[in-house]
Amino acid sequence: AQSVSQHNHHVILSEAASLELGCNYSYGGTVNLFWYVQYPGQHLQLLLKYFSGDPLVKGIKGFEAEFIKSKFSFNLRKPSVQWSDTAEYFCAVNAASNYQLIWGAGTKLIIKP
Amino acid sequence: EPEVTQTPSHQVTQMGQEVILRCVPISNHLYFYWYRQILGQKVEFLVSFYNNEISEKSEIFDDQFSVERPDGSNFTLKIRSTKLEDSAMYFCASSGKEAHTEAFFGQGTRLTVV
Repeated sequence: AQSVSQHNHHVILSEAASLELGCNYSYGGTVNLFWYVQYPGQHLQLLLKYFSGDPLVKGIKGFEAEFIKSKFSFNLRKPSVQWSDTAEYFCAVNAASNYQLIWGAGTKLIIKP
Repeated sequence: EPEVTQTPSHQVTQMGQEVILRCVPISNHLYFYWYRQILGQKVEFLVSFYNNEISEKSEIFDDQFSVERPDGSNFTLKIRSTKLEDSAMYFCASSGKEAHTEAFFGQGTRLTVV
């Protein structure tokens, strides 16, 4: 069965620090990869996605993620975080052959001003 | 910006009662989904719906669950006889012409079964 692992459940950083959130998945076939963000009191929003092509994907708000197929990873990065990045971040995967998104447990990110 | 809207935002119901969770997907979207998140657990897929029928469902989506698109704009999730373990946040989502493009999510309905 497919699964998604996010390594950190809680991350606390100071403003301007660099961020990397880990995401690994288990599935041997072709996958589509997503990072969603949920700001406090708001709905899930797409940060970025990978379907094919350049494995380094740029998303909104300065975020990027790199798909490393050999490591089954899709880590999220941002070189310099801001207080407004405080949110919960979810990695999700779907196999190209079906509809459902399989979700990681989420990482709560707190940025100290 | 178009968005998915869900009502109510919070519903409390007694065990054994039927509930209907409502969603208005983005108007030109073709694929519709329900997910749920039990407190402290991962978001879980329930069902996807396309062309007026279920295209995929998970093991969670048993006979007590049903979905409907009654009028071309609303997309509902019905739970026939609620159990305590149905307490969760339920998210509706929709996506456009292709199933695997970005899914847009509503703000969720928090269902509490007492």
